[in-house]
Formats: sequence, C-alpha cells, structure tokens
Amino acid sequence: DARVTQTPRHKVTEMGQEVTMRCQPILGHNTVFWYRQTMMQGLELLAYFRNRAPLDDSGMPKDRFSAEMPDATLATLKIQPSEPRDSAVYFCASVSGFNEQFFGPGTRLTVL
Amino acid sequence: AQKITQTQPGMFVQEKEAVTLDCTYDTSDPSYGLFWYKQPSSGEMIFLIYQGSYDQQNATEGRYSLNFQKARKSANLVISASQLGDSAMYFCAMREGKRRGSTLGRLYFGRGTQLTVWP
Repeated sequence: DARVTQTPRHKVTEMGQEVTMRCQPILGHNTVFWYRQTMMQGLELLAYFRNRAPLDDSGMPKDRFSAEMPDATLATLKIQPSEPRDSAVYFCASVSGFNEQFFGPGTRLTVL
Repeated sequence: AQKITQTQPGMFVQEKEAVTLDCTYDTSDPSYGLFWYKQPSSGEMIFLIYQGSYDQQNATEGRYSLNFQKARKSANLVISASQLGDSAMYFCAMREGKRRGSTLGRLYFGRGTQLTVWP
C-alpha cells in the first residue's frame, strides 16, 4: 500500500531553533507539494517541486523557510529560526498521473 | 477573490440520511479539476472524488457523488446513506489549467465544512 510518509509526526521546539521536516513521496510520483494548515488560515500552499526542481515557492516566507528535494525519494522543509507563529500542521503531498494528490499524515509543529 | 468557497462551516445529518456539502469555485480557465478531500479527527487528508471540467457525467465513487453544475460553477459533494464514520472535515479543492493526466498544478482549497453524523 503506497503512502506518503512524513517525519517527525510531532515536533515541539523552542523559538529560535531550527526545524527540519522530511517527506518521502510515493514512488514514481514526480511532483511534491508542501502545505501548512492552521485554524486561522486553513490550508496554504508553501511550495512545490516537479522532478526535484522548485516550481513555486511564493507561499513560503523566504527569510526563514527553505524547501529542497535532494533526491526523488526525499523532500525537506526547513524553518530557521522558528517562531511561535509557525505552529501548524505541515503536510506533504505527492501527485499521481490521475491528478489526485496523496497526502502524508502531517507533522504537527509546536513552537514555544 | 476566493477560488473555492464553502459556505457551510458545519453540517449535521442523521445516520443513513443523505447530505449535500456545498462548494462553488471561481476560475476563468476552461480546463480545471475539482476534488473533495476528507479530514477526520486523526488529521490525515483522504482523497474522495474528482471531477474534470470536460467530464460529461457527474463523478461517483461508492456513496460519494459530485453534483457538478458548470454554469453555476458549483461542485457539491453528496454523501448518501451517511455513516457515523463520515463525521469529519470536508474540503473542496480546484486545480486550474491542466487536463487530467498531467502532474502539474497546485490545488486551491476551501475552508472546509465540518460534518457531524448523529445516530
């Protein structure tokens, strides 16, 4: 049963610390998305990649967030330094040839 | 302007009854896709159903059907024979500009509708 995996599932950190979230897309999916979900803003697209190349990261605060895809099996989202307002659930999703985005379980981030 | 509007923050339905969750969309692109996702309290996002803008028939997947009214730009989700396990947040989403089979294209999400099914 192919799934998108994300690690860690939960992360509690202090303001100012670096946070790295990882995503393993479904094998063969060549487009990967990062979303952030909060009560106030709902689901927001942060960035996405196709064939490991960034296509759009306009939704991402550039000063502290960075997203990379070092290889086809790993996408990373990094926040440095983290702030309390970054507390949210971060989802990774990958796309099949039929357009359904398959979501990972999310990383619940709490920044104190 | 909002790309996706879900006007019902919450809906209640009795078990075994049908329920319709509303979704309207805004796009000037003739080619687009509409999606519904379910998010139970566990937090995962589960794909339910897809409708392409050129599809002639309304999409159906088991107890889920999509009432697609192109002229009205609406894509309502109909859940028949509701079950307790259907209680969840439901999100409508749209992808613009690409035909089915393409792997490009971001999704625009609505704010969601919280469905509660009671016995």
